[in-house]
Amino acid sequence: AQTVTQSQPEMSVQEAETVTLSCTYDTSENNYYLFWYKQPPSRQMILVIRQEAYKQQNATENRFSVNFQKAAKSFSLKISDSQLGDTAMYFCAFGDNTGTASKLTFGTGTRLQVTL
Amino acid sequence: DVKVTQSSRYLVKRTGEKVFLECVQDMDHENMFWYRQDPGLGLRLIYFSYDVKMKEKGDIPEGYSVSREKKERFSLILESASTNQTSMYLCASSPSRRLNTEAFFGQGTRLTVV
Repeated sequence: AQTVTQSQPEMSVQEAETVTLSCTYDTSENNYYLFWYKQPPSRQMILVIRQEAYKQQNATENRFSVNFQKAAKSFSLKISDSQLGDTAMYFCAFGDNTGTASKLTFGTGTRLQVTL
Repeated sequence: DVKVTQSSRYLVKRTGEKVFLECVQDMDHENMFWYRQDPGLGLRLIYFSYDVKMKEKGDIPEGYSVSREKKERFSLILESASTNQTSMYLCASSPSRRLNTEAFFGQGTRLTVV
């Protein structure tokens, strides 16, 4: 079974600074997808960024980028120019494309607080 | 916009009751999921379904069952609710069996079993 590990339960960053959230995963598969989701206090889970394992190029979405190291099974999220609205729980997730249908496995989350 | 709607935002039930949590998606998605979210444990998959009447166990199926009679609706059933099932429950859907696009989530149901 796949596992996803987020080793930072809580992090804090000042507004306009850069922060990196770490994620590692364990799999023997070659065909998979990785995701970062954000869950603000409203509880609505929102996709932040997505990475296909077969792509070497790191995904970017505006202020959000990933550092995908396939051999090391690492998938960290960098948030640049942090904003107060980035305050949320961040979950790393692994999309397993083997078997009859895909399933999404989540890490335990990192609570990010952006301060003035 | 894709919408995933969970029938209740908050629910309080008594121990031993049969509890139904309903989830409806409006985008003809194939895959649907039920997760429970607990502090420090993240989201854990209970069951998922890739087609009508099809279901697969996730990581923590014990004490739960599911029903998918129509493509747009996926129900989570607690046959006899217990206090250790007090949790946040999240429903999600994704367009196809293969997770090459994002999953869309409902707003969650916070269930308290007393």
